[in-house]
Amino acid sequence: KNEVEQSPQNLTAQEGEFITINCSYSVGISALHWLQQHPGGGIVSLFMLSSGKKKHGRLIATINIQEKHSSLHITASHPRDSAVYICAVRRGGADGLTFGKGTHLIIQP
Amino acid sequence: NAGVMQNPRHLVRRRGQEARLRCSPMKGHSHVYWYRQLPEEGLKFMVYLQKENIIDESGMPKERFSAEFPKEGPSILRIQQVVRGDSAAYFCASSPLIQSGSTEAFFGQGTRLTVV
Repeated sequence: KNEVEQSPQNLTAQEGEFITINCSYSVGISALHWLQQHPGGGIVSLFMLSSGKKKHGRLIATINIQEKHSSLHITASHPRDSAVYICAVRRGGADGLTFGKGTHLIIQP
Repeated sequence: NAGVMQNPRHLVRRRGQEARLRCSPMKGHSHVYWYRQLPEEGLKFMVYLQKENIIDESGMPKERFSAEFPKEGPSILRIQQVVRGDSAAYFCASSPLIQSGSTEAFFGQGTRLTVV
């Protein structure tokens, strides 16, 4: 079993829909990261969370440390949100990241 | 303040050649991480370095792969005698020195290595 599990693996939705991507992990962590990767592109850090909730524009990320679970939400989704969203955890403060397999999101106009 | 710079962006090598991938961390960052993304697979940690020190190389293949982060200049990931299975995207990330808590992740654009 992977230390970081994401669901769903693939998600296709219509423009404007509310999107939720889930991440569960099985180890103790110092922080959880949500990352975005466009096809053939680099990796952009969206959020780093150690507790609670963060919001940037239409993106919201939450984490429940007791349940070892995090969610990434996209409100009013847009075709430009189409990308792979990756959940990653860091055990110690400066350890390397352990990644989920990613969620391929397609937003259709 | 330039971000994490990786070069080259694309690298083609024949089987048996050497590949050198470079990563210049963000200004003021003292930690460098290398990750590999194989086709149709997730990202995997390879190695974590600080200046002149390898801190954690638990994700590095035992043979042909090495990494360094010298006092001056970029971090280098070196792959000797490349094989087709080395074809992947290699990402570098850097972070500042932290006293407590956890550190942000700043990624480069990656180097796409193709072995022919």
